[in-house]
Amino acid sequence: DAMVIQNPRYQVTQFGKPVTLSCSQTLNHNVMYWYQQKSSQAPKLLFHYYDKDFNNEADTPDNFQSRRPNTSFCFLDIRSPGLGDAAMYLCATSRTGTRSDTQYFGPGTRLTVL
Amino acid sequence: AQKITQTQPGMFVQEKEAVTLDCTYDTSDQSYGLFWYKQPSSGEMIFLIYQGSYDEQNATEGRYSLNFQKARKSANLVISASQLGDSAMYFCAMRGLFGNEKLTFGTGTRLTIIP
Repeated sequence: DAMVIQNPRYQVTQFGKPVTLSCSQTLNHNVMYWYQQKSSQAPKLLFHYYDKDFNNEADTPDNFQSRRPNTSFCFLDIRSPGLGDAAMYLCATSRTGTRSDTQYFGPGTRLTVL
Repeated sequence: AQKITQTQPGMFVQEKEAVTLDCTYDTSDQSYGLFWYKQPSSGEMIFLIYQGSYDEQNATEGRYSLNFQKARKSANLVISASQLGDSAMYFCAMRGLFGNEKLTFGTGTRLTIIP
């Protein structure tokens, strides 16, 4: 049974055309994360929500925004995608965010920018 | 600040053999957590095993065990009796103690199991 669901699995967009990626969870976890992973690299955290509290990483470009309308859903908005934004985007959740708390990942959305 | 180092970019292992994936870390935190994830070509990050810095025993989960040597700051993953389905990218990661929900990942090791 899928616990962290991401839609779509593959997204193609044009340079500069806004795109929204979706993540939902059935775990009722407090914390939701968005990571960007480029080819052959480690995942890089963009931001996370602890409940409704938004936490942005210092080096996340302004082009990336996020919304969490409720506990189950979180969205990643890329306002004007550039070629450099082509990557795998991974959503993850954890119950509390403490050091021993496991992060569970979704299957990812692979974004292509033409 | 935390840092994870995985020195093996790629490994080839014969099926049914045991394999050890290396991970060393650096942190100033006294309390921290260490994680291993598997990422198949499909892209999903699959949680494998967790070790807490104060855990005295090495963690085990089925065919996976974590060889934790705190003084050496190493947390190697051992996979016993490797299978073809173990072929994937493996990431070591850690999280510190306070207000640091972020996982710090290593660069990963690509494991290929040979029939």
